[in-house]
Amino acid sequence: GDSVTQTEGLVTLTEGLPVMLNCTYQSTYSPFLFWYVQHLNEAPKLLLKSFTDNKRPEHQGFHATLHKSSSSFHLQKSSAQLSDSALYYCALSDWSNNRIFFGDGTQLVVKP
Amino acid sequence: DPKIIQKPKYLVAVTGSEKILICEQYLGHNAMYWYRQSAKKPLEFMFSYSYQKLMDNQTASSRFQPQSSKKNHLDLQITALKPDDSATYFCASSPTGGPSAETLYFGSGTRLTVL
Repeated sequence: GDSVTQTEGLVTLTEGLPVMLNCTYQSTYSPFLFWYVQHLNEAPKLLLKSFTDNKRPEHQGFHATLHKSSSSFHLQKSSAQLSDSALYYCALSDWSNNRIFFGDGTQLVVKP
Repeated sequence: DPKIIQKPKYLVAVTGSEKILICEQYLGHNAMYWYRQSAKKPLEFMFSYSYQKLMDNQTASSRFQPQSSKKNHLDLQITALKPDDSATYFCASSPTGGPSAETLYFGSGTRLTVL
């Protein structure tokens, strides 16, 4: 079955340092991968998505490359900002169903 | 203006009671969903509806019953409430709900506390 693994529950960074949040997945069929971001007391919203191998979508300075060979879709940003502090979910769907599976989420805290 | 309206924003209930969570979307989407977020399971899929038909159900308990009276409505009835049901319940929608890379659009959630 489909599943998503986010290994870090909490990532704490100093402003200006690079961000990398890990996401690996298992999928029987060709997957669609997403990153959603949830700021405090707000609803989750889409940050970026991909279904093409080795393509790198970008949004608000964040980017992620889908690597089907390693089943990974890590989220990266070159320089963290205080406003990036939020809960980040990696998510997965595929051609077999219309359910989107979410990982456990990674809380990113950016400090001055 | 919010495009997905969830009511109420906060809800306090006593154990054993019944509550209905309301969701209306004005995005013109044909698929609607319920997700639950608690400390134990961060964002958990519950139900999906497409064109007012149940497509997928990941909720083991029959105490949770979605109700779709109109295409843009998907309410959630919860009976015999338990303290473990305490969570934030998010309604979401997407254009068709078919297997694809569709974006989910979430409402602002209903925070349910069961005493």
